[in-house]
Parts: sequence; structure tokens; C-alpha cells
Amino acid sequence: AQSVAQPEDQVNVAEGNPLTVKCTYSVSGNPYLFWYVQYPNRGLQFLLKYITGDNLVKGSYGFEAEFNKSQTSFHLKKPSALVSDSALYFCAVRDQAGTALIFGKGTTLSVSS
Amino acid sequence: GAVVSQHPSWVICKSGTSVKIECRSLDFQATTMFWYRQFPKQSLMLMATSNEGSKATYEQGVEKDKFLINHASLTLSTLTVTSAHPEDSSFYICSAERSSGSGHEQFFGPGTRLTVL
Repeated sequence: AQSVAQPEDQVNVAEGNPLTVKCTYSVSGNPYLFWYVQYPNRGLQFLLKYITGDNLVKGSYGFEAEFNKSQTSFHLKKPSALVSDSALYFCAVRDQAGTALIFGKGTTLSVSS
Repeated sequence: GAVVSQHPSWVICKSGTSVKIECRSLDFQATTMFWYRQFPKQSLMLMATSNEGSKATYEQGVEKDKFLINHASLTLSTLTVTSAHPEDSSFYICSAERSSGSGHEQFFGPGTRLTVL
């Protein structure tokens, strides 16, 4: 069975500092990995995905994520955080096309000015 | 880009009544749609997978007679919460899968907040 772990409930960073939101996964085959962001009372916004190819994936709003197969990780990163990045972030995985995404529990990112 | 809409965005109903939530893919056809449920400050939990023209596949623990799913066309799936109770109050989110040359992509609706009094 596939699963996703986001070990941190909350991540706090100061504006301008780099941020990392952690994600590890478990799938039986090749993983399809995703990051989404959710603002209060809103739906999900797609940030980026890894299907195949380069391990470093660049996405929306300056975010990027690095796929590490040996560590089964897909951490979300941004070189310089903005206060407006404060939101709930979800990592998700599926093991093949046509199946539902399985989400991690979410990590709340708080960026202070 | 692909757009998925949900209607209504917010609904309040009395206990015992039924509520229908629509999920539409506005500019693409979706043979597969998914329904998720999200409790406050928690993750999205997959409820069911909806395939056009066939019965939905429900996740373990989800009552299929309570959460009726119909995927009558390639652009519309509906979730009906029957005999709603306060514990059904939640944020319901759908996603629609688009198949293209670049693979299968899922697009999420904005969600429907259901409050059962």
C-alpha cells in the first residue's frame, strides 16, 4: 500500500530565510509525487510534481522539490520565504496513473515578518 | 489550464435532509473523478473513485448508501449525502483526471463546505 509521511505538523521560518517542508513516501512501484498548497477555506493549488526525469523539480511561486529515491523523500524547498507563503502544504503520492492521490497529513508553514 | 468547479461552495442543511454536490470539469473530459473529505486542519481522505458510466469504488469505511456517487457524463460527477447528520459536516473536495499526451493529471475543485445543523 502506498503512503505519505509529513513528519512536521508545523514549520516556522522568518521571511527571507530558506524553507524546507519534509515528505517521505512509500509505494510499490515508481512514484508519482506531488505538492499542493491550501489556503484557509480554499481548495488545493498545485505546486509541482515529479513523474520522471530530473530529480530537482521546479514549480509555482518559486518552490522546488528534490526527489531522492534512496531516501524515499520529496522535500519541498524555497530559497527565500515570503509571509504570503504561510499556508497548509500537502505532499501526495500515487503509484500509477489513473489512481487517486494519497495525501500526507499536511504541514502548516508559518512565515514571520 | 484545466478547471474543475464544484457547486455549491457552501451549504447548510438540517439534519435528516439530503444534499447534492456537483463536480464539473469545465474544459476537459474526465473519465475518472475522485471525491475526498477533509476535516478541519486535517488531511484529505479519499472517499471514492468515480468512473463514468459505472459504479463508484468506495474506500473502506465509507458508506456507499450514505454517500451516493453518480458519474453520468464525462464532465459531471455528483455526490449526494443522504440523511445528513452533524457528523457529516466537512469540507468535500473533488478532483478530475485528464488524460493527455503528457500523462494523467488531476485537477481539484475548490471544495464544498457542508454544515449540518
